Amino acid sequence: AQSVAQPEDQVNVAEGNPLTVKCTYSVSGNPYLFWYVQYPNRGLQFLLKYITGDNLVKGSYGFEAEFNKSQTSFHLKKPSALVSDSALYFCAVRDGRNTPLVFGKGTRLSVIA
Amino acid sequence: GAVVSQHPSRVICKSGTSVKIECRSLDFQATTMFWYRQFPKQSLMLMATSNEGSKATYEQGVEKDKFLINHASLTLSTLTVTSAHPEDSSFYICSARDVGRSYEQYFGPGTRLTVT
Repeated sequence: AQSVAQPEDQVNVAEGNPLTVKCTYSVSGNPYLFWYVQYPNRGLQFLLKYITGDNLVKGSYGFEAEFNKSQTSFHLKKPSALVSDSALYFCAVRDGRNTPLVFGKGTRLSVIA
Repeated sequence: GAVVSQHPSRVICKSGTSVKIECRSLDFQATTMFWYRQFPKQSLMLMATSNEGSKATYEQGVEKDKFLINHASLTLSTLTVTSAHPEDSSFYICSARDVGRSYEQYFGPGTRLTVT
């Protein structure tokens, strides 16, 4: 069965600094990897995904993520954080096309002005 | 495109009553829909997978008689919380899979259920 680990409950970063939110995964087959963001009392907003191809994936709002097969990681990054990036971030994985998404526990990002 | 709606967005009900939550795919056909539950400050836990025209598949630990799921059409799935208790209070999020777009999974905005 697939699983996702987000080792940090909370990440704090100063506005303008680069940010990284970590994610590692475990699947039996080829991973389909996703990042979502959630604002308070709201649903999930899709940020980016990796299915195949270039290991560096660019997504919405200036976010990007790098797929590293040897380390089974898919860390989310942004070169310069904004206060408005403060939210809850979820990494998710799917083991093939037909299975449902399984989510990590989430990482709360706080960007301080 | 690929919009999923949920209704209601927020509901308060008394203990012992039942409440129905609707999930609709607005601009695509969803043969498969998923229901997730999110506790405060926690992740999304998959409750069940529903396929149009057949019975839902529930995850381990989810009571199928308490959380009734119906997927009667290609654009509508409903979750009914029966005989609700305060511990059922949670944020429920549905998701629909678009087979036409490489099995992408799209999420609704969620429903906040409070049982008093």
